[in-house]
Amino acid sequence: AQSVAQPEDQVNVAEGNPLTVKCTYSVSGNPYLFWYVQYPNRGLQFLLKYITGDNLVKGSYGFEAEFNKSQTSFHLKKPSALVSDSALYFCAVRDSNAGGTSYGKLTFGQGTILTVHP
Amino acid sequence: DGGITQSPKYLFRKEGQNVTLSCEQNLNHDAMYWYRQDPGQGLRLIYYSQIVNDFQKGDIAEGYSVSREKKESFPLTVTSAQKNPTAFYLCASSVETGGYGSPLHFGNGTRLTVT
Repeated sequence: AQSVAQPEDQVNVAEGNPLTVKCTYSVSGNPYLFWYVQYPNRGLQFLLKYITGDNLVKGSYGFEAEFNKSQTSFHLKKPSALVSDSALYFCAVRDSNAGGTSYGKLTFGQGTILTVHP
Repeated sequence: DGGITQSPKYLFRKEGQNVTLSCEQNLNHDAMYWYRQDPGQGLRLIYYSQIVNDFQKGDIAEGYSVSREKKESFPLTVTSAQKNPTAFYLCASSVETGGYGSPLHFGNGTRLTVT
């Protein structure tokens, strides 16, 4: 079974400081990894994904994520946080070995609330 | 602009009543999904559909039903059999059926309150 863990329910950073939101995963095959952001009472917005290739993936709004196969992690990072980055962040994974189905189930983590203080 | 429209944004129902949540997309996506979001629990998959006239149960399908008569539409009915229906419901779509690298595009959700 595939799973995602976001070990921190909340992350607090000061504006201008770097931020990291942590994610670890478990899959039987190769992972396809995604980060989404959610603002209050809105749907999720796609930020970035890792499928294959470079371990450092760049996405929207200056976010990037680093894929680490040995640590089974896919942490979200930003060099300089903005107050407007404050939101709920979700990590998600799909297993390349989806068995006999043609649908690759997307499993979400519990979410991490990011608060950026002025 | 292309996107996913969920309506209504807020929905209130009495216990024992069925209610249908609307989801329409104009992205020409094949696959559509319904998720339920509860505080601290992430997103849980209710149903998904890879193609018109076909759909599959997700992890928490009990008490829910769906239809996929048109590519653009994937309505979700919350029946009286669903024991804890109060939640935030999110509809999503993706461009590729079984496309593992394809991200999901989400609507802005419907908040259902059942009293």
